[in-house]
Amino acid sequence: GEDVEQSLFLSVREGDSSVINCTYTDSSSTYLYWYKQEPGAGLQLLTYIFSNMDMKQDQRLTVLLNKKDKHLSLRIADTQTGDSAIYFCAESMGSGGYQKVTFGTGTKLQVIP
Amino acid sequence: EAQVTQNPRYLITVTGKKLTVTCSQNMNHEYMSWYRQDPGLGLRQIYYSMNVEVTDKGDVPEGYKVSRKEKRNFPLILESPSPNQTSLYFCASSPSGSNTEAFFGQGTRLTVV
Repeated sequence: GEDVEQSLFLSVREGDSSVINCTYTDSSSTYLYWYKQEPGAGLQLLTYIFSNMDMKQDQRLTVLLNKKDKHLSLRIADTQTGDSAIYFCAESMGSGGYQKVTFGTGTKLQVIP
Repeated sequence: EAQVTQNPRYLITVTGKKLTVTCSQNMNHEYMSWYRQDPGLGLRQIYYSMNVEVTDKGDVPEGYKVSRKEKRNFPLILESPSPNQTSLYFCASSPSGSNTEAFFGQGTRLTVV
């Protein structure tokens, strides 16, 4: 079955880069996603990458996908205190129009001023 | 404003007392899902719906029911809640099965005593 793993906690200083890592087991993933959850809020889709891509950049966010190692990472440049949140990686797979999404356990990012 | 609205946000109930958590979206999305979030387990899908009157089980459907009589609403029903259903519940909607534009509700924190 699908399994998505993340480290539980990451602490960085404001202004530094953060790198959040994720590993997944299913090689038939179609999309891989990064979600952000702020305290008391729902999940917000930050970015996603199609499985045939290696990299995607969106302003301060860079997603790297190593399909051979089944490793996904999210780099946040110039990390700000507003980036403090739980970050979930997720993968989707399926056919027939619906992509079933499996989430990781989440990484809590703490940004120290 | 595009949004997914869940009610109630907080609920404490007793074992065996039927309850319904409502979910409504104003974006005319076809796909809707329910997830539960538990510490150390990330989000797990309970049920999903691909359109009106089309629903299917997710990874942890036991003890839950759903219905999709209208496109905008996707209520989650607990016929006989038990303490192991104490959790944080999220509803999500998406215009496509790829979930690349998924929107999440604010969450419902349910405690069953």
